[in-house]
Amino acid sequence: EPEVTQTPSHQVTQMGQEVILRCVPISNHLYFYWYRQILGQKVEFLVSFYNNEISEKSEIFDDQFSVERPDGSNFTLKIRSTKLEDSAMYFCASRQVPYNEQFFGPGTRLTVL
Amino acid sequence: GENVEQHPSTLSVQEGDSAVIKCTYSDSASNYFPWYKQELGKRPQLIIDIRSNVGEKKDQRIAVTLNKTAKHFSLHITETQPEDSAVYFCAAEGNDYKLSFGAGTTVTVRA
Repeated sequence: EPEVTQTPSHQVTQMGQEVILRCVPISNHLYFYWYRQILGQKVEFLVSFYNNEISEKSEIFDDQFSVERPDGSNFTLKIRSTKLEDSAMYFCASRQVPYNEQFFGPGTRLTVL
Repeated sequence: GENVEQHPSTLSVQEGDSAVIKCTYSDSASNYFPWYKQELGKRPQLIIDIRSNVGEKKDQRIAVTLNKTAKHFSLHITETQPEDSAVYFCAAEGNDYKLSFGAGTTVTVRA
């Protein structure tokens, strides 16, 4: 069964550094998402992406965040200047239009020191 | 935006007993309600979902009910087993196609 994949599984970075989190959605899916989960808390929506543009974004997704689909398979989340509070698990998800079900990747644990 | 409340935050049940988790949502436009199970350090896995045009759905030991008028939905797990121990999240989705999650319920099944 196809799955969403994410790399790296764990990223450690210094405050102020840029990080890029990578995702490979399921191949015939057209709707992509990033969510984050701070340790012990609920999953929070960051951004959705459809038809090569941002569809929705939350208030968390400020100017420090950006998303890109650089080629036909990857979907990336960039944080330009990381803060301590960006430490979280970041999940990518994808969805096949017109179905609702979102499939989550295994996550990238980001630790900002 | 959508606000999803989930109760209880923790639930301990004896193996073989039932577990019930309840969620409420605020946006009457929400029309899709999935439940995810998350084991420690793993990705959320969809276990069951319900759309706003039905009131109940069952899949073996798991069932979900939806009351659109009251804007609440519930997860029922019968004949609980130790492998049911996990964190369960409810979520709601509207026409914006983004999921708003509840805070999660940590379910512990005692053998």
